Amino acid sequence: DTEVTQTPKHLVMGMTNKKSLKCEQHMGHRAMYWYKQKAKKPPELMFVYSYEKLSINESVPSRFSPECPNSSLLNLHLHALQPEDSALYLCASRPPGQGSREQFFGPGTRLTVL
Amino acid sequence: SQQGEEDPQALSIQEGENATMNCSYKTSINNLQWYRQNSGRGLVHLILIRSNEREKHSGRLRVTLDTSKKSSSLLITASRAADTASYFCAMTGGGSNYKLTFGKGTLLTVNP
Repeated sequence: DTEVTQTPKHLVMGMTNKKSLKCEQHMGHRAMYWYKQKAKKPPELMFVYSYEKLSINESVPSRFSPECPNSSLLNLHLHALQPEDSALYLCASRPPGQGSREQFFGPGTRLTVL
Repeated sequence: SQQGEEDPQALSIQEGENATMNCSYKTSINNLQWYRQNSGRGLVHLILIRSNEREKHSGRLRVTLDTSKKSSSLLITASRAADTASYFCAMTGGGSNYKLTFGKGTLLTVNP
């Protein structure tokens, strides 16, 4: 299995809803990432997990709550989002090791906040 | 900020022509990578070049890196309509290979 999967593909939620995005990989990668991408913009890093521990939080608002239950799974819990949070949310993973490595991206979840 | 600047922002060519995209960055890097993104989809890794390398090839792709000018270029030869996508450079630096910072991207359109 050489891919990163994300569910759901599309999500529409109201500002008072609570929802979760899910990301999974079975490549033995020990670093996993959440990115946010607005239309016609590059991906912006949100969080990095390394060996199931949060290692980078790019000053993301607390209405986004990441969780890494095990080495294969990464969740992003959403609560009280704003319409400006509508975007494509991308998950990625990276093979272990300190050297130069590519990242493997999932297809993304298209989130719309009403 | 390490964010790369890509140029041009948009490029439209005919099938069979070559496409060249450029990326400039501000601070020292560990490596520079190029990714492709089809509209609204995930990113696909194309090629990685380390800071001590000057040129790499992969199929129809050629990447160069000039660390003295803090710039890289991606050349796609004999382009096809299927190459239509956004192309991003991304780099790691500052002693960490874990954090990727992306350039603003070039939207390439290849007309049949």
